[in-house]
Parts: sequence; structure tokens; C-alpha cells
Amino acid sequence: DAKTTQPNSMESNEEEPVHLPCNHSTISGTDYIHWYRQLPSQGPEYVIHGLTSNVNNRMASLAIAEDRKSSTLILHRATLRDAAVYYCILRDADSGNTPLVFGKGTRLSVIA
Amino acid sequence: GAVVSQHPSRVICKSGTSVKIECRSLDFQATTMFWYRQFPKQSLMLMATSNEGSKATYEQGVEKDKFLINHASLTLSTLTVTSAHPEDSSFYICSARPGGAGEKLFFGSGTQLSVL
Repeated sequence: DAKTTQPNSMESNEEEPVHLPCNHSTISGTDYIHWYRQLPSQGPEYVIHGLTSNVNNRMASLAIAEDRKSSTLILHRATLRDAAVYYCILRDADSGNTPLVFGKGTRLSVIA
Repeated sequence: GAVVSQHPSRVICKSGTSVKIECRSLDFQATTMFWYRQFPKQSLMLMATSNEGSKATYEQGVEKDKFLINHASLTLSTLTVTSAHPEDSSFYICSARPGGAGEKLFFGSGTQLSVL
């Protein structure tokens, strides 16, 4: 899987939007961009994924740059429960049933 | 959505004993499950791929005789840490991907193993 680069940590105030960046300059045309997050003392959970177009779901939005070399996970209104490590992962469309490979992710702290 | 159940959530054992961790897919069948290990403040590291009805595939550096994996049914995989030592203390997490769920991978809640 192609490599991604994320800031080690970010901080946000509660009820404000959060933009979590991810750089993936070596992304290939068939790589999907996936985001997972891991709450303290929990296993990771799926957040969102996309290929080219921006994506929205009940948890977050994913904004993908036109050249696809970067993307941003947007939490529209951070809550204390959003404090977690957020992982940006690339997966090829033909990965099949293979495991996810996790990088270091971004540790998000939310301040009340 | 799909649920992966992992037990126990926390276990404390004496050095030299063996510990079994169970991972169940509650509402789907999983021919393949993945086991990860995570040390404090570090990322998840893949340990092995568990295959129903066949031998597990271990990542480089993971001792297969120490971390025994059994995937005897389509809904259950177990990881046994044999002769555990303090350096095996870690957070162990299993995961599986339901057929038809697209690219989503579902994770258990993890098992915190502490070896005294």
C-alpha cells in the first residue's frame, strides 16, 4: 500500500470544525483513500472512504484534492467523543480480503 | 452494521502461563480474520492472518509457536499466547471483513494483556 503522511497530533475546541490532513503524493489511480479512527482502549472503527469525489456520511466528510495527492477528513463539529487517533490509509481497489496497514495516524485532542 | 466480538477485554496472568483470546464475527461469516498487536502510544502492527480451515500466515518476526492461531469455524478465531512473558504485554486486536461490506474492515474491541 502506498505511503501516507499525517501530522502526529492536532488539537481542537469542542463544537468547532476539525480538518485532519493527509498527504499521499505517490497515490495510484486505483488507490482508495480510507479513514479509520481508534478511540482510547478500543479497536479501530471505519470512518469514511473515497476515490476521487468528495464524500459525506453521518460521521464525517472527506475532501479529496483534484490531483488526489492529498485529502482532508472533516469533522464538522468536534465533540469530546471524537478524541481519538485518526488513520489515513490507501488501499488498492484490487486488494481483496487483505489486512489494513496502519501508519502512525494523527492523535486528535478535543478541548472542552 | 457488522459486529466483531473479542473476549476477554482485559486479562492479567503470571509469567509462563498461556492466555487464549477469542474473536467472533457475530452476524457474518469470516473465512479470514486478522490479528494485530499494539504497544502503548504506537500504531497497530499486523501479527498474522487467520484462515478458516487452514494454517495461519504470520508476519515476519512473529513466532508462530508462541502465538497459536486457530480458526476452526467461520465465526471464530482464537489467539493463544503461550508461555507468556512480560514483554508480551500488549493490546491485541482482531478484525474481519464481511463479504458484501465493500472495503470496510471491522475490529474487535481489543484485549489488554498484562503479564506479571
